[in-house]
Amino acid sequence: SAVISQKPSRDICQRGTSLTIQCQVDSQVTMMFWYRQQPGQSLTLIATANQGSEATYESGFVIDKFPISRPNLTFSTLTVSNMSPEDSSIYLCSVRGRMNTEAFFGQGTRLTVV
Amino acid sequence: GENVEQHPSTLSVQEGDSAVIKCTYSDSASNYFPWYKQELGKRPQLIIDIRSNVGEKKDQRIAVTLNKTAKHFSLHITETQPEDSAVYFCAAKGGGNKLTFGTGTQLKVEL
Repeated sequence: SAVISQKPSRDICQRGTSLTIQCQVDSQVTMMFWYRQQPGQSLTLIATANQGSEATYESGFVIDKFPISRPNLTFSTLTVSNMSPEDSSIYLCSVRGRMNTEAFFGQGTRLTVV
Repeated sequence: GENVEQHPSTLSVQEGDSAVIKCTYSDSASNYFPWYKQELGKRPQLIIDIRSNVGEKKDQRIAVTLNKTAKHFSLHITETQPEDSAVYFCAAKGGGNKLTFGTGTQLKVEL
């Protein structure tokens, strides 16, 4: 299984500001995934990040709001821009296992926007 | 796109009883069905998975069954213990790389 380090683990931010979340994997992976989990809810895919190309966003998520970087095969960042209280959520990065099936998750970033 | 429905949303059982959680999916091309356990404040952890060429898989007290014709799969936990209390998510992976999650089941195992 992959070891994923995600930081920060939590943050409280002022509305209108931006927060960048980092995700580091202990092995090279082709794809990295960013999810949002609102309080008491399921996991919703924000985007898929491939190294060397622009991220692919899911319906309802746009690059201006959630810019993603993927500079190499072990690292990615997700920025939550111009935050509002509705962005308060847990954000998780994820990678797939060897067979590109099972998903492993970072410990998550609990974001509170005030 | 894929749509995964999960029932029940909450489930309370007595310690030692069995628990069953059911999911249905919409995309007939889906071929991989994992189950995740998420304890409060922690990341989701894979507990068992099944691929579309298999009808049932068991790992100690946990089993998953898949009915491709009906497009549904279920998680079975036998001899439940208090440490089984958590939120459980089913998921389905279709022809692409997207993993679609169910809405989750809060399982409470009571002493």
